[in-house]
Amino acid sequence: DGGITQSPKYLFRKEGQNVTLSCEQNLNHDAMYWYRQDPGQGLRLIYYSQIVNDFQKGDIAEGYSVSREKKESFPLTVTSAQKNPTAFYLCASSITLWGEQYFGPGTRLTVT
Amino acid sequence: KNEVEQSPQNLTAQEGEFITINCSYSVGISALHWLQQHPGGGIVSLFMLSSGKKKHGRLIATINIQEKHSSLHITASHPRDSAVYICVLGGGSNYKLTFGKGTLLTVNP
Repeated sequence: DGGITQSPKYLFRKEGQNVTLSCEQNLNHDAMYWYRQDPGQGLRLIYYSQIVNDFQKGDIAEGYSVSREKKESFPLTVTSAQKNPTAFYLCASSITLWGEQYFGPGTRLTVT
Repeated sequence: KNEVEQSPQNLTAQEGEFITINCSYSVGISALHWLQQHPGGGIVSLFMLSSGKKKHGRLIATINIQEKHSSLHITASHPRDSAVYICVLGGGSNYKLTFGKGTLLTVNP
């Protein structure tokens, strides 16, 4: 079955630690995205990648980093520089940039 | 002013009722998406449309480009339709998507 997987579903970290969220897709999509969702707010774009070895900052990239070494994988690292990292993180992919998006199940990160 | 506005923000219905969720926007777009987010957080793309109307099962989406307005209708609503419905503006390959804040729909049995 084709789809997007994110792991883990729930993640707990202490303040000051970096943490990496996994996102894998087997849909053969070129474009991948990371979004953040906070209660009562719409999705906000963190980073996006149009193609392997290329990625661009979204609207709220500060405190985050990504890599796109393989077409299937787009991991997101939440660094200690991110002031409010507790949130729900969603990964998505699309055939072409800004096309119809397919979402992963999300990772809920709690930092205390 | 937000580029995309959804109404209502919250909607409670009884099972079997006809549901309408509205999305108004103020910018030019190439396509509009409707997404469904279930209580567990997972998001599913329901429709992507650039004109007219699309239907899938009990769901119907319409868009009027001239009036900059789209509606999502649910016929014969069911408790399993309870979710957040999100309107998303697409500006084409050179433009990022713009997400609405969503409409929380609760369908009671």
